[in-house]
Amino acid sequence: DIQMTQSPSSLSASVGDRVTITCQASQDISNYLNWYQQKPGKAPKLLIYDASNLETGVPSRFSGSGSGTDFTFTISSLQPEDIATYYCQQYDNLPPSATFGGGTKVEIK
Amino acid sequence: QVQLQESGPGLVKPSGTLSLTCAVSGGSISSSNWWSWVRQPPGKGLEWIGEIYHSGSTNYNPSLKSRVTISVDKSKNQFSLKLSSVTAADTAVYYCARRVLYDSSGYRFGGGQGTLVTVSS
Repeated sequence: DIQMTQSPSSLSASVGDRVTITCQASQDISNYLNWYQQKPGKAPKLLIYDASNLETGVPSRFSGSGSGTDFTFTISSLQPEDIATYYCQQYDNLPPSATFGGGTKVEIK
Repeated sequence: QVQLQESGPGLVKPSGTLSLTCAVSGGSISSSNWWSWVRQPPGKGLEWIGEIYHSGSTNYNPSLKSRVTISVDKSKNQFSLKLSSVTAADTAVYYCARRVLYDSSGYRFGGGQGTLVTVSS
């Protein structure tokens, strides 16, 4: 099974700051890496799919990069409405399965 | 826009079977989507349970495979989850989602807020 290591588990930043979250896969997953935002009491929302593609309707301050085993998620200018927990998720085709990272809770300083 | 809505009993007894349904609206269950279940224990992270295509093909989380069955009901445009031999560790919010075939490897959670299932006697 592929394991996903997401860091940090939490962070505190000021409005306008650049925020970066990383996710490392235990083996090569090509670009099958997705990022989600989850606010309390709500379902997760897909923000970035296949490492770097912005989901329709998602603000451009969110971005993703990486391939193979190392991936990065960035909020270029943190906004108050970005307070949430963010998860990475990989999809493996052999055999087909998905795994989520442990999550990163983002708070305003 | 495809909307998904989970439903089912909120309380299941230990050793019993958890049964949930996800109603699909705004699109057909026979479209090019893998229909999926994800769960989240209170205060914890997300866990992928499994997925089904309208043809009946399934993929399951290896750690749950022996207890999980996901099925499709085309006549009702819905899909279902059954998890047997439940324990308190299966207490979680259960979400349904979809993965668009040949589009992305990510899951779109369509509008539902999930359903909390508590395993307790």
